[in-house]
Amino acid sequence: NAGVTQTPKFRVLKTGQSMTLLCAQDMNHEYMYWYRQDPGMGLRLIHYSVGEGTTAKGEVPDGYNVSRLKKQNFLLGLESAAPSQTSVYFCASSKADEQFFGPGTRLTVL
Amino acid sequence: GENVEQHPSTLSVQEGDSAVIKCTYSDSASNYFPWYKQELGKRPQLIIDIRSNVGEKKDQRIAVTLNKTAKHFSLHITETQPEDSAVYFCAASKRGNKLVFGAGTILRVKS
Repeated sequence: NAGVTQTPKFRVLKTGQSMTLLCAQDMNHEYMYWYRQDPGMGLRLIHYSVGEGTTAKGEVPDGYNVSRLKKQNFLLGLESAAPSQTSVYFCASSKADEQFFGPGTRLTVL
Repeated sequence: GENVEQHPSTLSVQEGDSAVIKCTYSDSASNYFPWYKQELGKRPQLIIDIRSNVGEKKDQRIAVTLNKTAKHFSLHITETQPEDSAVYFCAASKRGNKLVFGAGTILRVKS
């Protein structure tokens, strides 16, 4: 099992550009999550999904959109990137309580 | 909503000493409390967790204690080793709900 994978690993964007981060899991988990990690602020939940076709807002959803068209995939979109969205993004999935994290995507917005 | 505070933000210990990290939470309905370890440049990984019907849980050199009345829980690492150096995050959630993380503790074990 690959577990939770994320693509891309690194990306540099210019302000105003758009992009999509892909998260995939092969553990048949119902729940999937997107977090951002900034220095000194821990992990903050952006959006999450409790099953295929569902999404919900987390703590810091502004400027992001998500889709869960397939159970194994959870996409995070930035429609118009801003420097404040420079961060490391982690995807996670869970069946019950324990969350399994992907390797992260380091995004820089210039 | 839930708020989790974590202390200290950095902790330096000598190899072989014990390390203790403390977290407080605000929502009395929270019932699941995991601890994650994140090495530099890596993903967070669960090292131990505790549920609200248990007061203490141990796994080799690590243990977690929970005080529901005071709404705080702690991570205890004994006989620290250089490979314990990492960032540790506590979190809290209600069953089936999303995790709220603390800000993290940088643990440095000096050899």
